[in-house]
Amino acid sequence: ILNVEQSPQSLHVQEGDSTNFTCSFPSSNFYALHWYRWETAKSPEALFVMTLNGDEKKKGRISATLNTKEGYSYLYIKGSQPEDSATYLCASRPFNTGTASKLTFGTGTRLQVTL
Amino acid sequence: DGGITQSPKYLFRKEGQNVTLSCEQNLNHDAMYWYRQDPGQGLRLIYYSQIVNDFQKGDIAEGYSVSREKKESFPLTVTSAQKNPTAFYLCASTPPGQDRITGYTFGSGTRLTVV
Repeated sequence: ILNVEQSPQSLHVQEGDSTNFTCSFPSSNFYALHWYRWETAKSPEALFVMTLNGDEKKKGRISATLNTKEGYSYLYIKGSQPEDSATYLCASRPFNTGTASKLTFGTGTRLQVTL
Repeated sequence: DGGITQSPKYLFRKEGQNVTLSCEQNLNHDAMYWYRQDPGQGLRLIYYSQIVNDFQKGDIAEGYSVSREKKESFPLTVTSAQKNPTAFYLCASTPPGQDRITGYTFGSGTRLTVV
């Protein structure tokens, strides 16, 4: 995989549903994987930065896992709420960008949670 | 509160004109970045700067210029040479040596439209 790919492109769930998204990234030269939440009319906000294979991070009802050997990360949202409605971006940083944190972003997964 | 301020929020440009997008941060971050978003595409890196008076081209630098005369400021000029300037532009910053921990801090963006 040369680019960062996210699926699904969009998702519509009911309040209380649990959901998950996938991010695929180049596994060679891996350095870090970022997840951001981007609500409409706001700035993207960092959720997680993950670096170690097998790593799992959690923030409230949101968690993420990382597999650097096969090049994928999952983002899980447990018991979705309307305020979780946003676009979720993942971005990969390869090792060979030197000291600059140059990220390659996926196109995002747009989540809509309705009552 | 510390953060990144981008201005203006909306900008209209006539064909053939240069325009400058402002990005100011009071986070004391060393590194700053400009990304562009187009429909259906991930954020793409235009320019980045790791330190004052130094900047590097990103993946899509043609038709753009930047300066970094102060740590707080990283303005982006969209020149008349940029073929398709209509897009959403995001500025971001990272603290020194902590991008594997904290991720990017983003501004709220500038939407540029060529009329």
